[in-house]
Amino acid sequence: NAGVTQTPKFRVLKTGQSMTLLCAQDMNHEYMYWYRQDPGMGLRLIHYSVGEGTTAKGEVPDGYNVSRLKKQNFLLGLESAAPSQTSVYFCASSYGGLRTPEAFFGQGTRLTVV
Amino acid sequence: AQKITQTQPGMFVQEKEAVTLDCTYDTSDQSYGLFWYKQPSSGEMIFLIYQGSYDEQNATEGRYSLNFQKARKSANLVISASQLGDSAMYFCAMREFGNEKLTFGTGTRLTIIP
Repeated sequence: NAGVTQTPKFRVLKTGQSMTLLCAQDMNHEYMYWYRQDPGMGLRLIHYSVGEGTTAKGEVPDGYNVSRLKKQNFLLGLESAAPSQTSVYFCASSYGGLRTPEAFFGQGTRLTVV
Repeated sequence: AQKITQTQPGMFVQEKEAVTLDCTYDTSDQSYGLFWYKQPSSGEMIFLIYQGSYDEQNATEGRYSLNFQKARKSANLVISASQLGDSAMYFCAMREFGNEKLTFGTGTRLTIIP
């Protein structure tokens, strides 16, 4: 069972470059989330989606864009990377409603912007 | 406003003792869920336990129990008979079923001492 898969696992970007992080889930989950994790700050929600074609802003959306064109995929884009976006990024997915409500996480993507 | 507050950045506990990790939350929704996740040094996010806002009994999963006090808006995690393998970061999270946001606290780093 693949579960939630994030691509890539590691990346180094130069300031101003762009990139897309891919999150794919094979559990037919309605909801998907993108987080960043920084020391001492826990996991902060960047954007999330409650279904195919929908997206919503989280706590720290600036500098990021997302798309959910297919139910199983949730893409996180950085248009012009900044050193402040150096972080570990996690994707998560869950069913909607109260059925098995816990979120399943990917393994994380470690991004360094130099 | 901070939705999830974890006031213990770090804790040291003797092996085999019980430990309580604190979590308070803030929401105006009547329907919400509370979660605890464990993040070992390897980085993956492991779901531990869930409590729904309408659940009358405290959730239990093996050595984990959730001390849910709705009026105080607290959802403390209790780990009984701690083991060396319990050393990890622990995150409290809340999903409000109105907007479906899943937000996390800043975490508590638990270290079990032999």
